[in-house]
Amino acid sequence: EAQVTQNPRYLITVTGKKLTVTCSQNMNHEYMSWYRQDPGLGLRQIYYSMNVEVTDKGDVPEGYKVSRKEKRNFPLILESPSPNQTSLYFCASSMTGGTGANVLTFGAGSRLTVL
Amino acid sequence: QQQVKQSPQSLIVQKGGISIINCAYENTAFDYFPWYQQFPGKGPALLIAIRPDVSEKKEGRFTISFNKSAKQFSLHIMDSQPGDSATYFCAASIDQAGTALIFGKGTTLSVSS
Repeated sequence: EAQVTQNPRYLITVTGKKLTVTCSQNMNHEYMSWYRQDPGLGLRQIYYSMNVEVTDKGDVPEGYKVSRKEKRNFPLILESPSPNQTSLYFCASSMTGGTGANVLTFGAGSRLTVL
Repeated sequence: QQQVKQSPQSLIVQKGGISIINCAYENTAFDYFPWYQQFPGKGPALLIAIRPDVSEKKEGRFTISFNKSAKQFSLHIMDSQPGDSATYFCAASIDQAGTALIFGKGTTLSVSS
C-alpha cells in the first residue's frame, strides 16, 4: 500500500529534550515536506526537500532541523523543543514533474506536546 | 501575494443540504487549485482539484467552481451527509515540481443528521 508513515504518532516531552519524528514513504517520491497544523492557523510548511541532500526552509522553520540522506526518509528534528512547538505535525510527499506534481500524500500525523 | 483566504472557519449544515466553502487567492501565477479533506485523526487527502482553464469541475457530489477574474474558487458539497463531516482545506500553487502548496486555514464542516 502506498503510504507515508510517521512515528511516533503521539509524544509528550519536556522543554529542551531533543526529539526526532521519523517519516518514510514507499512511493519513490522525490519531494517531501513537513507541516504543522494549529487551530485557526491551518497547515504551515516547516521544511521541504526536493531530493536527497536537498532541503529548504518553509514558512516556519525556526526551531526545527531536517535531513534527507535517503530518498524514502525525511526526519524532523527538534534539537531543543519548547512549548510553542506543541502541535500536530504532518509529513507529506509527492512526485516531481508533470501534471499533478503537487498532489500531496500525507502521513497520519504526529501529535507532539512539549511541557 | 502568497495568501489563500478561506471562509467560513466553521460550518454546520443539515443532512441533505448544500455546503459551500469559499477561497480567494492573490497570486495570479497560481495554476493549480486543490481541495483536501481531513477526517479527525487522519492526514489530509486530496479530494478534488481544478486548473484555471475550466470554470467548474464536478466529481460526484463535490463541485469546484472557479472564477479567474475574481481570483476566487469554491467547493460545493451537494446532498451533504454526516460522513462528509471533516475539515476542508483549499490550496493553490504553481503546478511545477517542488513548488509549495499554499493552504487556506481550513473549514470545519459538521453535517447534522
